[in-house]
Amino acid sequence: ILNVEQSPQSLHVQEGDSTNFTCSFPSSNFYALHWYRWETAKSPEALFVMTLNGDEKKKGRISATLNTKEGYSYLYIKGSQPEDSATYLCASTGGATNKLIFGTGTLLAVQP
Amino acid sequence: DGGITQSPKYLFRKEGQNVTLSCEQNLNHDAMYWYRQDPGQGLRLIYYSQIVNDFQKGDIAEGYSVSREKKESFPLTVTSAQKNPTAFYLCASSIDRQHFYEQYFGPGTRLTVT
Repeated sequence: ILNVEQSPQSLHVQEGDSTNFTCSFPSSNFYALHWYRWETAKSPEALFVMTLNGDEKKKGRISATLNTKEGYSYLYIKGSQPEDSATYLCASTGGATNKLIFGTGTLLAVQP
Repeated sequence: DGGITQSPKYLFRKEGQNVTLSCEQNLNHDAMYWYRQDPGQGLRLIYYSQIVNDFQKGDIAEGYSVSREKKESFPLTVTSAQKNPTAFYLCASSIDRQHFYEQYFGPGTRLTVT
């Protein structure tokens, strides 16, 4: 089974702080890396899907990078706002399976 | 509005009873998925369907069954054979099975079996 790991497990920051978290995955047979944002009482919502080594994607204050050779992706949030508070999930394919495997998520809390 | 609906939001059942969770999408997506979430674990794939009348087991299919008679609908039955059915269940869909397509998720159903 492919192991997708996210760190840290949780993060508390002040409004205006920039922050980042990590998703690591086996690099063999890599196909795609997904990032989702999951706010409390809502459905998970896709942020990015990345497939190429060196990919960088940006949506407003949120950006992500991908390194498929070493098996990691970073998600950055610039100038965190309280509405950024959510669990951020990453998911990847690779290894011996062609299924999308999810990490346990990073819970971000932004204090006003 | 296009999206995925799951009903009900909360479901309570007695042990030994089968229960069916509903999932409907109006996004015209070919692929649909069922996941289960337990505390401290990532979403785990139960079943997926790439097309009508076809479905495949995911990583934790034992004790579950599905059907895909219509493109819009992918109900999940939690049978009495499922040893630990109490969990949060999420349904998702994507344009097709290719992993470079993002998945769209429903709001989830929390099932409690006592």
